[in-house]
Order: sequence, then structure tokens, then C-alpha cells
Amino acid sequence: TQLLEQSPQFLSIQEGENLTVYCNSSSVFSSLQWYRQEPGEGPVLLVTVVTGGEVKKLKRLTFQFGDARKDSSLHITAAQTGDTGLYLCAGSYGNNRLAFGKGNQVVVIP
Amino acid sequence: DAGVTQSPTHLIKTRGQQVTLRCSPKSGHDTVSWYQQALGQGPQFIFQYYEEEERQRGNFPDRFSGHQFPNYSSELNVNALLLGDSALYLCASSWGPGGNQPQHFGDGTRLSIL
Repeated sequence: TQLLEQSPQFLSIQEGENLTVYCNSSSVFSSLQWYRQEPGEGPVLLVTVVTGGEVKKLKRLTFQFGDARKDSSLHITAAQTGDTGLYLCAGSYGNNRLAFGKGNQVVVIP
Repeated sequence: DAGVTQSPTHLIKTRGQQVTLRCSPKSGHDTVSWYQQALGQGPQFIFQYYEEEERQRGNFPDRFSGHQFPNYSSELNVNALLLGDSALYLCASSWGPGGNQPQHFGDGTRLSIL
């Protein structure tokens, strides 16, 4: 059972376009982490959000944690081919046990 | 600064066999968690080790067991392998078992069951 629902599951866009992917749950988390995973590799941590309503920016990536700490979004501005990958969100109840979604597969076409 | 290292990278076993996977945490980390990632799925939590004890466990049968050594490295053992155990097994390390500490993942062991 996936506690976190990620949408869309698959997204293909042209280089230079913007995109937003979503991570939703009915559970309240103490924190939420976003990872990017490429084929044959482990997930790489992008950001951790802790406070409801928090917005964090990492270069062209903007992460937002919902006010109720149940959902999150990731917005990429002017996507590049290097942004291609599987984006995973993971919620924590404060015990460092992560519950993952299935991921958003993003493909950026040159 | 070495990150999380896992061995072996790939492994092929047959049904009924037993397997041991190994993980060395990132330098400075003392907590190790194991996850199973089936094809097309997100990682699923197996268990977490801290101070050489299993602290938390996910919804996995007793065929899955583990160990943590004094140097914080860890092993995952799976007995009586089933076809459904084919997956990428990921190890993640962090500092401390609680709070919102960021977890750093290794590149995993790809286990294939024939």
C-alpha cells in the first residue's frame, strides 16, 4: 500500500519548458524528502521540507510543503535534459522511517 | 568523504537459496535502514538498525533478517528466496534513528531470483 500518491506518473516535455509534479497523502508527516533516481543508481536526496507552507529553492527546482504537511509539489523551471529522472517523494513520521511514493518519471527531450 | 557503499552490485540466485547483502554507511552515520524497490515501485522500508539492534521493522516476513556491526556496517539476510524477492535492495544511512535526519542511499544490490 502506497501512502503517498505521486502524479503524474510519467511526464515528457521539451527542453526549456516548465513542469510541476505532485505528491499527495491523507497522512500528516513531520517531514517530507524529495529524491531523484537515475537507472542503476540509488536515490539522491534533493531537499527536506519540515514546516507546513515551507518553500525551498534549489537552482531551477522549487519545492513546496503543504500547509497541513500532507502534500508537496516540485516545480522545475526551464527544464534541461539533465533533469531527466525518477523523482521520488518520501514522508517521515519523525522516526526516520520513510514511506515512498511510486515516483514521477520525467523525460526532458532536447 | 565516502558515501554509502553496498556489495555486491548484482546477484543471481535460485528459489530456496539464501543471500547476504552488505552495506557500509556514510562516514559519521550510525543508523542503517534497508529498503526493497521492486520494478516500477518506490522503495519499501524493511527495517532499521541502530546501536546494533533492530529498532523498527516494516511489513516483511521473518525470512528477512539483519545485523549491524560495531563499526556501524550492516548486513541484510534473506532465507528461502522466492521469485517475488527479485528487486533492488537499497541501504540508507543517517545520523541517529529519530527526527528528520536526511537519509543517504547507496546504489543498491540488484537481486535476481531464477
